[in-house]
Amino acid sequence: QSVLTQPPSVSAAPGQKVTISCSGTSSNIGSNFVSWYQHLPGAAPKLLIFDNNKRPSGIPDRFSGSKSGTSATLGITGLQTGDEADYYCATWDSRVSAVVFGGGTNLAVL
Amino acid sequence: QVQLVESGGGVVQPGRSLRLSCAVSGVTFSRYAFHWVRQAPGKGLEWVAVISYDSSLQYYVDSVKGRFTIARDNSKNTLYLQMNRLRAEDTALYYCVKDSSYLDYFDYWGQGTQVTVSS
Repeated sequence: QSVLTQPPSVSAAPGQKVTISCSGTSSNIGSNFVSWYQHLPGAAPKLLIFDNNKRPSGIPDRFSGSKSGTSATLGITGLQTGDEADYYCATWDSRVSAVVFGGGTNLAVL
Repeated sequence: QVQLVESGGGVVQPGRSLRLSCAVSGVTFSRYAFHWVRQAPGKGLEWVAVISYDSSLQYYVDSVKGRFTIARDNSKNTLYLQMNRLRAEDTALYYCVKDSSYLDYFDYWGQGTQVTVSS
Protein backbone atom coordinates (compact mmCIF):
# COMPACT_ATOMS: atom_id res chain seq x y z
CA GLN A 1 0.00 0.00 0.00
CA SER A 2 1.44 3.34 -1.08
CA VAL A 3 2.00 6.26 1.27
CA LEU A 4 0.34 8.60 -1.23
CA THR A 5 -3.18 7.70 -2.37
CA GLN A 6 -4.23 7.97 -6.00
CA PRO A 7 -7.30 6.57 -7.76
CA PRO A 8 -6.35 3.37 -9.61
CA SER A 9 -7.93 4.54 -12.84
CA VAL A 10 -9.68 7.44 -14.52
CA SER A 11 -11.19 7.79 -17.97
CA ALA A 12 -12.61 10.45 -20.23
CA ALA A 13 -13.35 11.06 -23.87
CA PRO A 14 -10.93 12.70 -26.30
CA GLY A 15 -10.96 16.46 -25.94
CA GLN A 16 -12.33 16.33 -22.42
CA LYS A 17 -10.65 17.17 -19.13
CA VAL A 18 -9.59 14.87 -16.32
CA THR A 19 -8.12 15.36 -12.87
CA ILE A 20 -6.05 12.91 -10.86
CA SER A 21 -5.84 13.34 -7.11
CA CYS A 22 -2.95 12.51 -4.78
CA SER A 23 -3.60 12.45 -1.06
CA GLY A 24 -0.92 12.41 1.61
CA THR A 25 -0.14 13.69 5.08
CA SER A 26 1.53 16.60 6.82
CA SER A 27 4.94 14.89 6.68
CA ASN A 28 4.95 14.48 2.91
CA ILE A 29 2.65 16.56 0.69
CA GLY A 30 1.84 18.93 3.52
CA SER A 31 5.45 20.06 3.88
CA ASN A 32 7.22 19.31 0.59
CA PHE A 33 6.88 19.96 -3.13
CA VAL A 34 4.97 17.49 -5.28
CA SER A 35 6.01 16.26 -8.71
CA TRP A 36 4.08 14.27 -11.31
CA TYR A 37 5.31 11.71 -13.84
CA GLN A 38 3.82 10.15 -16.95
CA HIS A 39 4.74 6.52 -17.63
CA LEU A 40 3.94 5.23 -21.08
CA PRO A 41 4.20 1.48 -21.70
CA GLY A 42 7.72 0.45 -22.61
CA ALA A 43 9.20 3.88 -21.96
CA ALA A 44 10.97 5.57 -19.08
CA PRO A 45 8.81 7.76 -16.85
CA LYS A 46 8.75 11.42 -17.81
CA LEU A 47 8.53 14.50 -15.60
CA LEU A 48 5.30 16.42 -16.16
CA ILE A 49 5.01 18.78 -13.19
CA PHE A 50 7.52 19.84 -10.53
CA ASP A 51 7.33 22.07 -7.45
CA ASN A 52 3.55 21.51 -7.31
CA ASN A 53 2.60 23.46 -10.41
CA LYS A 54 5.56 24.12 -12.70
CA ARG A 55 5.96 22.55 -16.13
CA PRO A 56 9.35 21.61 -17.59
CA SER A 57 10.11 22.98 -21.02
CA GLY A 58 8.42 20.92 -23.70
CA ILE A 59 5.43 19.92 -21.58
CA PRO A 60 2.27 21.46 -23.07
CA ASP A 61 0.05 23.71 -20.96
CA ARG A 62 -2.69 21.08 -21.22
CA PHE A 63 -0.99 19.63 -18.14
CA SER A 64 -1.32 21.49 -14.84
CA GLY A 65 -0.68 20.85 -11.19
CA SER A 66 -1.94 22.23 -7.91
CA LYS A 67 -1.58 21.57 -4.21
CA SER A 68 -3.74 22.37 -1.22
CA GLY A 69 -2.85 21.23 2.28
CA THR A 70 -2.06 17.52 2.15
CA SER A 71 -3.46 16.89 -1.33
CA ALA A 72 -2.28 17.53 -4.86
CA THR A 73 -4.01 17.36 -8.21
CA LEU A 74 -2.89 16.81 -11.78
CA GLY A 75 -5.15 18.21 -14.46
CA ILE A 76 -5.10 17.30 -18.13
CA THR A 77 -7.25 19.15 -20.65
CA GLY A 78 -7.88 18.48 -24.33
CA LEU A 79 -7.32 14.76 -23.82
CA GLN A 80 -5.60 12.85 -26.63
CA THR A 81 -5.22 9.13 -27.15
CA GLY A 82 -1.50 9.63 -26.72
CA ASP A 83 -2.14 10.66 -23.11
CA GLU A 84 -3.08 7.09 -22.22
CA ALA A 85 -0.52 6.15 -19.60
CA ASP A 86 0.07 5.64 -15.91
CA TYR A 87 0.49 8.81 -13.86
CA TYR A 88 2.35 9.04 -10.56
CA CYS A 89 2.71 11.70 -7.90
CA ALA A 90 5.80 11.83 -5.70
CA THR A 91 7.30 13.83 -2.88
CA TRP A 92 9.75 13.60 -0.01
CA ASP A 93 8.45 12.31 3.30
CA SER A 94 10.22 14.06 6.17
CA ARG A 95 8.99 11.56 8.79
CA VAL A 96 10.51 8.47 7.17
CA SER A 97 13.31 10.24 5.24
CA ALA A 98 12.28 8.68 1.95
CA VAL A 99 10.82 9.57 -1.42
CA VAL A 100 7.25 8.35 -1.62
CA PHE A 101 5.18 7.66 -4.72
CA GLY A 102 1.48 7.34 -5.20
CA GLY A 103 0.24 3.97 -6.36
CA GLY A 104 -0.29 5.28 -9.88
CA THR A 105 -3.38 6.12 -11.89
CA ASN A 106 -4.10 4.56 -15.25
CA LEU A 107 -5.66 7.03 -17.65
CA ALA A 108 -7.91 5.70 -20.41
CA VAL A 109 -8.99 8.02 -23.19
CA LEU A 110 -12.11 6.37 -24.53
CA GLN B 1 21.84 15.77 -24.00
CA VAL B 2 21.59 14.00 -20.66
CA GLN B 3 21.89 10.23 -20.86
CA LEU B 4 21.65 7.62 -18.12
CA VAL B 5 22.51 4.07 -19.14
CA GLU B 6 21.99 1.25 -16.66
CA SER B 7 23.70 -2.11 -16.78
CA GLY B 8 24.34 -5.13 -14.60
CA GLY B 9 20.86 -6.60 -14.39
CA GLY B 10 20.16 -10.29 -14.89
CA VAL B 11 18.77 -13.46 -13.35
CA VAL B 12 20.11 -14.34 -9.91
CA GLN B 13 19.21 -16.88 -7.25
CA PRO B 14 17.67 -15.79 -3.93
CA GLY B 15 20.32 -14.87 -1.39
CA ARG B 16 22.91 -13.95 -4.00
CA SER B 17 24.29 -10.53 -4.94
CA LEU B 18 24.23 -8.25 -7.97
CA ARG B 19 25.70 -4.83 -8.69
CA LEU B 20 23.95 -2.38 -10.97
CA SER B 21 25.79 0.46 -12.68
CA CYS B 22 24.55 3.63 -14.31
CA ALA B 23 26.78 5.61 -16.66
CA VAL B 24 25.80 9.26 -16.84
CA SER B 25 26.72 11.73 -19.56
CA GLY B 26 25.67 15.18 -20.75
CA VAL B 27 25.61 16.71 -17.26
CA THR B 28 28.11 17.61 -14.54
CA PHE B 29 27.62 14.38 -12.61
CA SER B 30 29.27 15.55 -9.41
CA ARG B 31 26.78 18.38 -8.88
CA TYR B 32 23.63 16.32 -8.44
CA ALA B 33 22.02 13.68 -6.28
CA PHE B 34 20.98 10.45 -7.97
CA HIS B 35 18.39 7.81 -7.18
CA TRP B 36 17.40 4.27 -7.96
CA VAL B 37 13.69 3.66 -8.56
CA ARG B 38 12.20 0.25 -9.39
CA GLN B 39 9.03 -1.19 -10.82
CA ALA B 40 8.05 -4.76 -10.04
CA PRO B 41 5.95 -6.64 -12.59
CA GLY B 42 2.39 -5.33 -12.59
CA LYS B 43 3.16 -2.83 -9.82
CA GLY B 44 3.77 0.87 -9.54
CA LEU B 45 6.98 2.85 -9.18
CA GLU B 46 8.88 2.37 -5.93
CA TRP B 47 11.73 4.56 -4.82
CA VAL B 48 14.76 2.56 -3.62
CA ALA B 49 17.60 4.87 -2.61
CA VAL B 50 19.24 8.27 -3.04
CA ILE B 51 22.82 9.49 -2.72
CA SER B 52 23.89 13.10 -2.36
CA TYR B 53 26.28 14.76 -4.80
CA ASP B 54 29.31 14.14 -2.56
CA SER B 55 28.22 10.73 -1.17
CA SER B 56 27.87 12.20 2.32
CA LEU B 57 24.18 11.27 2.58
CA GLN B 58 22.30 8.14 1.54
CA TYR B 59 18.71 7.17 2.25
CA TYR B 60 16.92 3.89 1.54
CA VAL B 61 13.42 2.47 1.47
CA ASP B 62 12.87 0.28 4.53
CA SER B 63 12.62 -2.97 2.55
CA VAL B 64 16.23 -2.74 1.30
CA LYS B 65 17.97 -1.24 4.34
CA GLY B 66 20.92 -3.39 5.38
CA ARG B 67 20.91 -5.28 2.06
CA PHE B 68 21.42 -2.62 -0.64
CA THR B 69 24.11 0.05 -0.84
CA ILE B 70 24.02 3.03 -3.17
CA ALA B 71 27.36 4.50 -4.19
CA ARG B 72 28.88 6.76 -6.80
CA ASP B 73 32.23 7.48 -8.41
CA ASN B 74 32.37 11.11 -9.47
CA SER B 75 35.61 10.51 -11.36
CA LYS B 76 33.84 7.97 -13.56
CA ASN B 77 30.40 9.67 -13.75
CA THR B 78 28.89 6.42 -12.57
CA LEU B 79 26.21 5.48 -10.05
CA TYR B 80 26.03 2.03 -8.45
CA LEU B 81 23.60 -0.12 -6.53
CA GLN B 82 25.10 -3.07 -4.68
CA MET B 83 22.31 -5.53 -3.95
CA ASN B 84 23.00 -8.31 -1.44
CA ARG B 85 20.81 -11.07 0.01
CA LEU B 86 18.40 -10.68 -2.90
CA ARG B 87 14.81 -11.81 -2.51
CA ALA B 88 12.12 -12.74 -4.99
CA GLU B 89 10.34 -9.49 -4.15
CA ASP B 90 13.36 -7.53 -5.44
CA THR B 91 12.47 -8.66 -8.96
CA ALA B 92 11.88 -5.45 -10.90
CA LEU B 93 13.01 -3.08 -13.60
CA TYR B 94 15.53 -0.77 -11.93
CA TYR B 95 15.78 2.82 -13.13
CA CYS B 96 18.69 5.18 -12.57
CA VAL B 97 17.27 8.67 -12.01
CA LYS B 98 18.83 12.11 -11.79
CA ASP B 99 17.63 14.58 -9.17
CA SER B 100 17.19 18.19 -10.21
CA SER B 101 19.25 19.16 -7.18
CA TYR B 102 18.87 17.19 -3.94
CA LEU B 103 15.63 15.59 -2.77
CA ASP B 104 13.63 17.70 -5.18
CA TYR B 105 12.28 16.11 -8.33
CA PHE B 106 13.40 13.57 -10.92
CA ASP B 107 14.29 15.32 -14.15
CA TYR B 108 15.98 12.52 -16.13
CA TRP B 109 15.45 8.76 -16.15
CA GLY B 110 17.37 5.90 -17.69
CA GLN B 111 15.67 3.12 -19.64
CA GLY B 112 16.11 0.63 -16.80
CA THR B 113 17.81 -2.71 -16.25
CA GLN B 114 15.87 -5.85 -15.37
CA VAL B 115 16.66 -7.80 -12.22
CA THR B 116 15.02 -11.19 -11.76
CA VAL B 117 15.50 -13.12 -8.53
CA SER B 118 14.51 -16.73 -9.01
CA SER B 119 15.75 -20.19 -8.20
